[in-house]
Amino acid sequence: ETGVTQTPRHLVMGMTNKKSLKCEQHLGHNAMYWYKQSAKKPLELMFVYNFKEQTENNSVPSRFSPECPNSSHLFLHLHTLQPEDSALYLCASSRGGLAGDTDTQYFGPGTRLTVL
Amino acid sequence: GNSVTQMEGPVTLSEEAFLTINCTYTATGYPSLFWYVQYPGEGLQLLLKATKADDKGSNKGFEATYRKETTSFHLEKGSVQVSDSAVYFCALRGYGQNFVFGPGTRLSVLP
Repeated sequence: ETGVTQTPRHLVMGMTNKKSLKCEQHLGHNAMYWYKQSAKKPLELMFVYNFKEQTENNSVPSRFSPECPNSSHLFLHLHTLQPEDSALYLCASSRGGLAGDTDTQYFGPGTRLTVL
Repeated sequence: GNSVTQMEGPVTLSEEAFLTINCTYTATGYPSLFWYVQYPGEGLQLLLKATKADDKGSNKGFEATYRKETTSFHLEKGSVQVSDSAVYFCALRGYGQNFVFGPGTRLSVLP
């Protein structure tokens, strides 16, 4: 247990569906992250939130919409996805703020998404 | 920009063999260095880290030493077990910057 939980663990959706991924951290951290992990590709950083403010959007298509209502929760809203969006979506958290370069990220178990 | 290079594998070893997974980095300043491990069906877990030159991180029999002169952070274990089969990621983080991960190295340990 890393202190970061993700739901659901598995999700199958059609291209016209709307769904949301949820991440919750119990570590008192102030920064949260979404990553995409596809087969045979490096880990891709998608979004970064610090103190509930989005500080990075790594050229992610608008069909992915993040939401961070507070420092403990992070959502990824999905709509009109494509089959190539099928991947493992990982959430992570870290202390953020003035933690600097020693800040360590803690990952959730991921949501395995399949788009049909 | 910052980058991490690691052997992509797959690496296949017999149980009790010695393991080395090479990792080198390019960065400005003095980043912190990390090794993460991902077991099948799970997210990444922090394995060990080092925050300054010559520091040695260690955990569960794994070790890595921060070598500034060779910009390396090689992962080693003296005797691997079947349960060590996983994907290992080398990563760095510079001050005020996001994490940069290597491509991962798949390790398979055979009984």
